[in-house]
Amino acid sequence: SYELTQPPSVSVSPGQTASITCSGDKLGDKFACWYQQKPGQSPVLIIYHDSKRPSGIPERFSGSNSGNTATLTISGTQAMDEADYYCQAWDSSTLYVFGTGTKVTVL
Amino acid sequence: QVQLQESGPGLVKPSGTLSLTCAVSAGSIRSSNWWSWVRQPPGKGLEWIGEIFHTGNINYNPSLKSRVTMSVDASKNQFSLKLRSVTAADTAIYYCAREVVQGVGGNWFDPWGQGTLVTVSS
Repeated sequence: SYELTQPPSVSVSPGQTASITCSGDKLGDKFACWYQQKPGQSPVLIIYHDSKRPSGIPERFSGSNSGNTATLTISGTQAMDEADYYCQAWDSSTLYVFGTGTKVTVL
Repeated sequence: QVQLQESGPGLVKPSGTLSLTCAVSAGSIRSSNWWSWVRQPPGKGLEWIGEIFHTGNINYNPSLKSRVTMSVDASKNQFSLKLRSVTAADTAIYYCAREVVQGVGGNWFDPWGQGTLVTVSS
């Protein structure tokens, strides 16, 4: 089965850049998307098609995907960005796969 | 904006059957979208359970396939999940979500329901 691996945690200072990786075999050949989940809330889509932002998602969120790694970048991180982040991909055999999740702490 | 709302018992006994329904509002379940269930054990990550189309076409996560049944009631604009032979490991927040598909492999979930906690305990 297909698997996606993320670092358990990432720490960032306010105003700095946070990068969250998502690794999977030939992930760059698939589309990756990202969800933000704040405590007690449902996941919210923040990036789809590797790098596109849904309406209403701040420009400080960006994404890329190449080789075996997709990356979510938060530029000018704000306290409100403290949350769990999950990558997700679709594979024709496994269908939907989520990453292991990364907790972003804004120190 | 489509909205989804999960409902069902919050407590299920071990070896019993978990039953949940997802009501779709501000949109039709007969649209071109597939509809999914996703679960999240407390403090853990997300796990896809399965998907259903309004025609009744279904795909399940292989790891749960032997215990899961999904169904759709288009007349009520809702779809349902049944999970049999539950154990404490099935304790989780269960979410329903709409799938969006754009291009081959461009599949994602948006929006999600608010989720409902189901606890398996005697």
